Order: sequence, then structure tokens, then C-alpha cells
Amino acid sequence: QVHLVQSGAEVKKPGASVRVSCKASGYTFTTYSITWLRQAPGQGLEWMGWITTYNSNTNYAQKFQGRVTMTTDTSTSTVYMELRSLTSADTAVYYCARSAKWGSPDYWGQGTLVTVSS
Amino acid sequence: DIQMTQSPSSLSASVGDRVTITCRASQGIRNDLAWYQQKPGKAPIRLIYVASSLQSGVPSRFSGSGSGTEFTLTITSLQPEDSATYYCLQHNSYPFTFGPGTKVGIK
Repeated sequence: QVHLVQSGAEVKKPGASVRVSCKASGYTFTTYSITWLRQAPGQGLEWMGWITTYNSNTNYAQKFQGRVTMTTDTSTSTVYMELRSLTSADTAVYYCARSAKWGSPDYWGQGTLVTVSS
Repeated sequence: DIQMTQSPSSLSASVGDRVTITCRASQGIRNDLAWYQQKPGKAPIRLIYVASSLQSGVPSRFSGSGSGTEFTLTITSLQPEDSATYYCLQHNSYPFTFGPGTKVGIK
């Protein structure tokens, strides 16, 4: 069965960076992309971008361009998302999800709460 | 960016009722649309993909239809466990965008 397991909650100060990991299992890692999404408290879902795991091509939402980096480690079937220059507006639950190229995400990780507070 | 709207924003219905949620795209997206169910504190679950295909393991009371700019999610006989927020997602062009959600409650 497909599982995506994310790293634990983080508390960061404004201006800092955060890196969230997403470890995949239960399928052939390089045959699907990993999408990152987030959800601010009490708000809707926001698509951040994705990375193709077989060649590390990325596509980031313009909103996050220059501030986000997604990387993949095929040896451990893990994808990382780093977000820099954090502000309180980045406080959210961050999700990774599996997706076929151009497809909608099917299986999701459990979410990682990132809190940005001074 | 493609804007997605949903109606209604919330509804309350009785067990056994038929419920319909509408999602509209600001431009045509063919059938590149998915529906998700999210319960409080949980990750979303995909119910429907490419507008009308039922995700494996999802009860058959859920169905999706539509193409182009207008889509619907139907629950034919509402159950207590269907109390949740439902989101549509377009994956036709970047950035992919979600509707604002429809909160479904049980009377």
C-alpha cells in the first residue's frame, strides 16, 4: 500500500528557513511525481509545485518562485521541500502528495505543521 | 491563473438526501478536475479524478460529472460519515488551483 510519511512539526522565527521531508513507500518511487501543497489555519488548499522524482524537474507556483526548493533522494525514496524567508503568512500545514505527471494528487502524506512566530 | 468557484459554500442535509456541489472554472479545463473530501485535522482524500472516475475504495454513492467549465459532485444518499469539506482541483494549467470548498453538515 502507498504511504507518504512526513517529518514532524516545526516552529521557526520570521526570516528563517524550514525543510520538510516526505518519505514514500509501497510503489516504484520514480514512476510518480511528488506535489507539495499547504493549508493555512482555517483556510483552503494551495498548490505549491511539484518535482518529478526520476529526473528532478520542478515546477513551482509563481507565488513561491525564488523562495522554495524541492529536491529528491532516490536512494531513500524521499522528497524534500525547503521554504526560505518565512513570515507569519507561511504558518500552515504542509502536505506532500503523489501524482502522475499532469494528474491530480492521489495519495497524501499526513501533513506537517509549520508555525512561524517570533 | 484559472479561478475555481464552488457553490454552495456550505449546506446541511439529512441522512439519505441527495446532495450536489457545483464547481466552475474561469476558463475551459477539459475534464482535468478532481474532487477531494477533507475532515478536520486530516489530509484530503481524492474521491473523483478526471471529472467522473471514481477513486478505488470510494463508496459508489459519490459521483462526478461535467467538462469544460462546469462540474458537479453528487452524493446520492448522504451518510453521517460524509460530513466534511469538499474541494475541487483543476490540473489543466499551472498553477493548479482549488475551489474554496463546500462544507457539508448533517441535520
